[in-house]
Amino acid sequence: DIQMTQSPSTLSASVGDRVTITCRASQSISSWLAWYQQKPGKAPKLLIYKASSLESGVPSRFSGSGSGTEFTLTISSLQPDDFATYYCQQYNSYTWTFGQGTKVEIK
Amino acid sequence: EVQLVESGGGLVKPGGSLRLSCAASGFTFSSYSMNWVRQAPGKGLEWVSSISSSSSYIYYADSVKGRFTISRDNAKNSLYLQMNSLRAEDTAVYYCARGSSTGPHFDYWGQGTLVTVSS
Repeated sequence: DIQMTQSPSTLSASVGDRVTITCRASQSISSWLAWYQQKPGKAPKLLIYKASSLESGVPSRFSGSGSGTEFTLTISSLQPDDFATYYCQQYNSYTWTFGQGTKVEIK
Repeated sequence: EVQLVESGGGLVKPGGSLRLSCAASGFTFSSYSMNWVRQAPGKGLEWVSSISSSSSYIYYADSVKGRFTISRDNAKNSLYLQMNSLRAEDTAVYYCARGSSTGPHFDYWGQGTLVTVSS
């Protein structure tokens, strides 16, 4: 099975900071990588799909890049509403795997 | 507006069974694959099972294979998860999620239903 490793596990940042989260796959997954945002007690929300496509309605400060085994989610200027946990998700051979999550905290 | 509403969660003893439901509205349910994803308390997300639009293709995570059964009723716009032989490690919030039409990601999620397996 493909394993997904996110880093860092926790990130402390200030409003206005540029934030980057990395997700590494244990083998190539082409561009089948999505990013989700989850706030406490709420369902996950899709941000990015196919590694770099922005979901409709998601602010343009969110962007994704990468292919193969290494992917990044970037928030260009962190806003108060962005403090949350972020998960990557891969798809390969009829299985889906999530990374362990990155919690973005207020510095 | 797309809405997914889960129900059926609750407290069950180890070895017991439970059936979760997900009522869908605001889209043509029969045209989309559907999924179950769970989240243990304080932990990350874990994909559980997926079913294609016509139920032709069904997939399970190894952790639930042989114990859980996913199904759907397109006439009732409903998704189900039959959970048997429940274990303490199955304790989680269970989300239903719609498969996107543009790729193998999940574009809409329900609010979740809590399943607690404890004696």
